[in-house]
Amino acid sequence: DAGVIQSPRHEVTEMGQEVTLRCKPISGHDYLFWYRQTMMRGLELLIYFNNNVPIDDSGMPEDRFSAKMPNASFSTLKIQPSEPRDSAVYFCASRPSPSGNTIYFGEGSWLTVV
Amino acid sequence: DQQVKQNSPSLSVQEGRISILNCDYTNSMFDYFLWYKKYPAEGPTFLISISSIKDKNEDGRFTVFLNKSAKHLSLHIVPSQPGDSAVYFCAASLNEKLTFGTGTRLTIIP
Repeated sequence: DAGVIQSPRHEVTEMGQEVTLRCKPISGHDYLFWYRQTMMRGLELLIYFNNNVPIDDSGMPEDRFSAKMPNASFSTLKIQPSEPRDSAVYFCASRPSPSGNTIYFGEGSWLTVV
Repeated sequence: DQQVKQNSPSLSVQEGRISILNCDYTNSMFDYFLWYKKYPAEGPTFLISISSIKDKNEDGRFTVFLNKSAKHLSLHIVPSQPGDSAVYFCAASLNEKLTFGTGTRLTIIP
């Protein structure tokens, strides 16, 4: 079975540009999570969805960040406009429901904003 | 305010010896604790977990201990192998959300 699929794997963009990160969760998983990894803060939860509905977006840094899940097999995380401090690895993860607490991560999208 | 803390950014252990990774948390409502392992350029992968009603869970070379009164958990790896070199994240669960620590980089010295 395919795992969580993220694209792009690497993105270098200029400050002020729009960035869109994409995620395809594992088929049948009802929960989708977006995390950001930085050296200082480790893995931070940005937002999560249940059955395509955003449940908690309290981790989204500011209004420049937005996330959508138009259907069960696709989600996007958008940053507009991007800033150098947004440079990080962004992970998407999913898990089935009901289940234990284990979530399954994609390989991440490495974002560099110059 | 970090609710889950891993105070050791790095740890080096001789191959064959025991590796002990530590994690502290502040929220007594967390009901499940997990350890994830991460290799460079890959996503974190689940390693082992423990319910808050237990104090120990073992899976092969990996054992997780939970001390609720101290709000502390630890991961023991014995014997340590070169393939265990990775970043280890502890995580705590509450209301469907996993809160992660900042990670500890474990290096196994051959």
